[in-house]
Amino acid sequence: SYEVTQPLSVSVALGQTARITCGGNNIGSKNVHWYQQKPGQAPILVIYRDTHRPSGIPERFSGSNSGNTATLTISRAQAGDEADYYCQVWDNSTWVFGGGTKLPVL
Amino acid sequence: QVQLVQSGAEVKEPGASVKVSCKASGYTFTNYGICWVRQAPGQGLEWMGWINPDNGNANYAPKVRGRVTMTTDASTSTAYMEVRSLRSDDTAVYYCGREIYGEYLDLWGQGTLVTVSS
Repeated sequence: SYEVTQPLSVSVALGQTARITCGGNNIGSKNVHWYQQKPGQAPILVIYRDTHRPSGIPERFSGSNSGNTATLTISRAQAGDEADYYCQVWDNSTWVFGGGTKLPVL
Repeated sequence: QVQLVQSGAEVKEPGASVKVSCKASGYTFTNYGICWVRQAPGQGLEWMGWINPDNGNANYAPKVRGRVTMTTDASTSTAYMEVRSLRSDDTAVYYCGREIYGEYLDLWGQGTLVTVSS
Protein backbone atom coordinates (compact mmCIF):
# COMPACT_ATOMS: atom_id res chain seq x y z
CA SER A 1 0.00 0.00 0.00
CA TYR A 2 1.08 3.56 -0.66
CA GLU A 3 2.74 5.44 2.19
CA VAL A 4 3.44 9.12 2.76
CA THR A 5 5.98 10.44 5.25
CA GLN A 6 5.96 13.71 7.16
CA PRO A 7 8.46 15.10 9.69
CA LEU A 8 7.16 14.89 13.25
CA SER A 9 7.82 18.56 13.91
CA VAL A 10 8.87 21.70 12.06
CA SER A 11 9.40 24.88 14.01
CA VAL A 12 9.16 28.42 12.69
CA ALA A 13 9.82 31.83 14.15
CA LEU A 14 7.03 34.37 14.16
CA GLY A 15 6.94 36.14 10.80
CA GLN A 16 9.21 33.63 9.08
CA THR A 17 8.46 30.91 6.51
CA ALA A 18 7.64 27.31 7.40
CA ARG A 19 7.93 24.45 4.95
CA ILE A 20 6.30 21.12 5.75
CA THR A 21 7.11 18.20 3.50
CA CYS A 22 5.18 15.10 2.51
CA GLY A 23 7.25 12.37 0.90
CA GLY A 24 6.10 9.45 -1.18
CA ASN A 25 7.15 7.38 -4.17
CA ASN A 26 6.52 9.56 -7.23
CA ILE A 27 4.06 11.64 -5.22
CA GLY A 28 4.35 14.29 -7.92
CA SER A 29 2.05 12.14 -10.06
CA LYS A 30 -0.71 12.34 -7.43
CA ASN A 31 -2.91 15.12 -6.12
CA VAL A 32 -1.90 16.11 -2.60
CA HIS A 33 -4.19 17.81 -0.12
CA TRP A 34 -3.34 19.46 3.20
CA TYR A 35 -5.31 19.86 6.42
CA GLN A 36 -4.70 21.98 9.49
CA GLN A 37 -5.84 20.73 12.88
CA LYS A 38 -5.72 22.77 16.07
CA PRO A 39 -6.02 21.10 19.49
CA GLY A 40 -9.52 19.89 20.24
CA GLN A 41 -10.83 20.86 16.82
CA ALA A 42 -11.72 19.07 13.61
CA PRO A 43 -9.29 19.38 10.71
CA ILE A 44 -9.85 22.00 8.03
CA LEU A 45 -8.71 21.92 4.42
CA VAL A 46 -5.99 24.47 3.65
CA ILE A 47 -4.66 23.27 0.26
CA TYR A 48 -6.26 20.94 -2.29
CA ARG A 49 -4.87 19.45 -5.49
CA ASP A 50 -1.30 20.46 -4.70
CA THR A 51 -1.65 24.22 -5.03
CA HIS A 52 -5.25 25.39 -4.62
CA ARG A 53 -6.53 27.33 -1.62
CA PRO A 54 -10.14 27.01 -0.47
CA SER A 55 -11.99 30.25 0.06
CA GLY A 56 -11.14 31.82 3.40
CA ILE A 57 -7.61 30.40 3.57
CA PRO A 58 -4.99 33.18 3.59
CA GLU A 59 -2.65 33.62 0.64
CA ARG A 60 0.19 32.94 3.07
CA PHE A 61 -0.60 29.25 2.60
CA SER A 62 0.72 27.70 -0.59
CA GLY A 63 1.61 24.26 -1.91
CA SER A 64 3.82 22.54 -4.43
CA ASN A 65 4.35 18.97 -5.56
CA SER A 66 7.09 17.45 -7.66
CA GLY A 67 9.07 14.24 -7.82
CA ASN A 68 8.95 12.45 -4.48
CA THR A 69 8.04 15.45 -2.32
CA ALA A 70 5.04 17.69 -1.82
CA THR A 71 5.47 20.83 0.27
CA LEU A 72 3.13 23.06 2.25
CA THR A 73 4.59 26.52 2.67
CA ILE A 74 3.34 28.99 5.27
CA SER A 75 4.73 32.49 4.78
CA ARG A 76 4.87 35.18 7.48
CA ALA A 77 3.91 32.67 10.14
CA GLN A 78 1.50 33.84 12.80
CA ALA A 79 0.78 32.49 16.25
CA GLY A 80 -2.58 31.28 14.95
CA ASP A 81 -0.83 28.96 12.49
CA GLU A 82 0.39 26.79 15.34
CA ALA A 83 -1.26 23.43 14.67
CA ASP A 84 -0.80 19.93 13.34
CA TYR A 85 -0.70 19.61 9.57
CA TYR A 86 -1.57 16.47 7.59
CA CYS A 87 -1.04 15.65 3.94
CA GLN A 88 -3.40 13.26 2.17
CA VAL A 89 -3.48 11.46 -1.17
CA TRP A 90 -5.81 9.07 -2.93
CA ASP A 91 -4.26 5.84 -4.14
CA ASN A 92 -5.92 2.74 -5.55
CA SER A 93 -9.35 3.47 -4.03
CA THR A 94 -7.77 4.22 -0.65
CA TRP A 95 -7.26 7.49 1.13
CA VAL A 96 -3.84 7.82 2.73
CA PHE A 97 -2.93 10.37 5.41
CA GLY A 98 0.54 11.32 6.45
CA GLY A 99 1.40 10.94 10.11
CA GLY A 100 1.11 14.66 10.72
CA THR A 101 3.58 17.45 11.45
CA LYS A 102 3.43 19.62 14.53
CA LEU A 103 4.16 23.27 13.84
CA PRO A 104 5.10 25.35 16.87
CA VAL A 105 5.43 29.06 16.17
CA LEU A 106 8.25 30.43 18.30
CA GLN B 1 -25.30 27.09 6.62
CA VAL B 2 -23.36 24.19 5.13
CA GLN B 3 -22.42 21.86 7.95
CA LEU B 4 -22.12 18.33 9.24
CA VAL B 5 -23.33 17.71 12.78
CA GLN B 6 -22.41 14.47 14.51
CA SER B 7 -23.98 12.60 17.39
CA GLY B 8 -22.65 12.81 20.93
CA ALA B 9 -19.92 10.95 22.77
CA GLU B 10 -20.32 7.26 23.52
CA VAL B 11 -18.83 4.88 26.08
CA LYS B 12 -18.97 1.21 25.20
CA GLU B 13 -17.66 -2.02 26.64
CA PRO B 14 -15.34 -4.27 24.62
CA GLY B 15 -17.28 -6.47 22.24
CA ALA B 16 -20.19 -4.05 21.93
CA SER B 17 -21.24 -2.02 18.89
CA VAL B 18 -21.56 1.70 18.34
CA LYS B 19 -23.41 3.68 15.67
CA VAL B 20 -22.35 7.26 15.00
CA SER B 21 -24.52 9.64 12.98
CA CYS B 22 -23.59 12.61 10.79
CA LYS B 23 -26.39 14.96 9.70
CA ALA B 24 -25.78 17.17 6.70
CA SER B 25 -27.43 20.51 6.08
CA GLY B 26 -27.09 23.41 3.67
CA TYR B 27 -26.35 21.34 0.57
CA THR B 28 -27.79 18.50 -1.52
CA PHE B 29 -26.84 15.42 0.47
CA THR B 30 -26.85 12.98 -2.44
CA ASN B 31 -24.46 15.09 -4.53
CA TYR B 32 -21.40 14.38 -2.38
CA GLY B 33 -19.81 11.32 -0.82
CA ILE B 34 -19.21 10.99 2.89
CA CYS B 35 -15.94 9.76 4.35
CA TRP B 36 -15.27 8.59 7.88
CA VAL B 37 -11.91 9.28 9.52
CA ARG B 38 -10.83 8.46 13.06
CA GLN B 39 -8.13 9.77 15.34
CA ALA B 40 -6.91 7.81 18.35
CA PRO B 41 -5.77 9.88 21.35
CA GLY B 42 -2.56 11.71 20.50
CA GLN B 43 -2.36 10.03 17.10
CA GLY B 44 -2.86 10.96 13.46
CA LEU B 45 -5.78 10.68 11.09
CA GLU B 46 -6.89 7.27 9.80
CA TRP B 47 -9.25 6.86 6.86
CA MET B 48 -11.97 4.29 7.54
CA GLY B 49 -14.04 4.37 4.41
CA TRP B 50 -16.36 6.18 2.06
CA ILE B 51 -20.00 5.95 1.04
CA ASN B 52 -21.93 7.34 -1.88
CA PRO B 53 -25.25 8.64 -0.48
CA ASP B 54 -26.83 8.51 -3.92
CA ASN B 55 -26.62 4.75 -4.35
CA GLY B 56 -25.29 3.42 -1.05
CA ASN B 57 -22.06 2.06 -2.52
CA ALA B 58 -19.31 1.93 0.10
CA ASN B 59 -15.60 1.28 0.16
CA TYR B 60 -13.87 0.34 3.41
CA ALA B 61 -10.27 0.52 4.57
CA PRO B 62 -8.77 -2.97 4.76
CA LYS B 63 -8.06 -2.58 8.48
CA VAL B 64 -11.76 -2.21 9.39
CA ARG B 65 -13.45 -4.12 6.58
CA GLY B 66 -15.86 -6.68 8.06
CA ARG B 67 -16.35 -4.79 11.35
CA VAL B 68 -17.63 -1.49 9.97
CA THR B 69 -20.81 -0.71 8.05
CA MET B 70 -21.57 2.69 6.55
CA THR B 71 -25.10 3.64 5.57
CA THR B 72 -27.05 6.73 4.62
CA ASP B 73 -30.64 7.95 4.88
CA ALA B 74 -31.32 10.45 2.13
CA SER B 75 -34.71 11.35 3.60
CA THR B 76 -32.98 12.87 6.63
CA SER B 77 -29.63 13.72 4.98
CA THR B 78 -27.88 11.60 7.57
CA ALA B 79 -24.93 9.24 7.28
CA TYR B 80 -24.22 6.50 9.79
CA MET B 81 -21.21 4.41 10.67
CA GLU B 82 -21.51 1.31 12.82
CA VAL B 83 -18.46 -0.37 14.35
CA ARG B 84 -18.96 -3.85 15.77
CA SER B 85 -16.89 -5.99 18.12
CA LEU B 86 -15.32 -2.92 19.68
CA ARG B 87 -11.80 -3.19 21.08
CA SER B 88 -9.83 -0.82 23.27
CA ASP B 89 -7.85 0.35 20.26
CA ASP B 90 -11.08 1.59 18.66
CA THR B 91 -11.10 4.38 21.24
CA ALA B 92 -10.88 7.50 19.11
CA VAL B 93 -12.59 10.61 17.86
CA TYR B 94 -14.57 9.68 14.76
CA TYR B 95 -15.09 12.34 12.09
CA CYS B 96 -17.34 12.41 9.07
CA GLY B 97 -16.41 14.56 6.11
CA ARG B 98 -17.86 15.65 2.78
CA GLU B 99 -15.69 14.38 -0.01
CA ILE B 100 -15.05 16.18 -3.28
CA TYR B 101 -14.56 14.14 -6.46
CA GLY B 102 -13.36 11.23 -4.34
CA GLU B 103 -10.18 13.14 -3.55
CA TYR B 104 -10.38 15.34 -0.46
CA LEU B 105 -12.65 16.56 2.33
CA ASP B 106 -13.81 20.15 2.17
CA LEU B 107 -16.17 19.98 5.16
CA TRP B 108 -15.81 18.08 8.45
CA GLY B 109 -18.12 17.23 11.29
CA GLN B 110 -17.17 18.25 14.82
CA GLY B 111 -16.16 14.72 15.76
CA THR B 112 -17.60 12.06 18.07
CA LEU B 113 -15.52 10.57 20.88
CA VAL B 114 -16.02 6.84 21.26
CA THR B 115 -14.44 5.33 24.35
CA VAL B 116 -14.13 1.57 24.65
CA SER B 117 -13.56 0.52 28.21
CA SER B 118 -14.68 -2.11 30.65
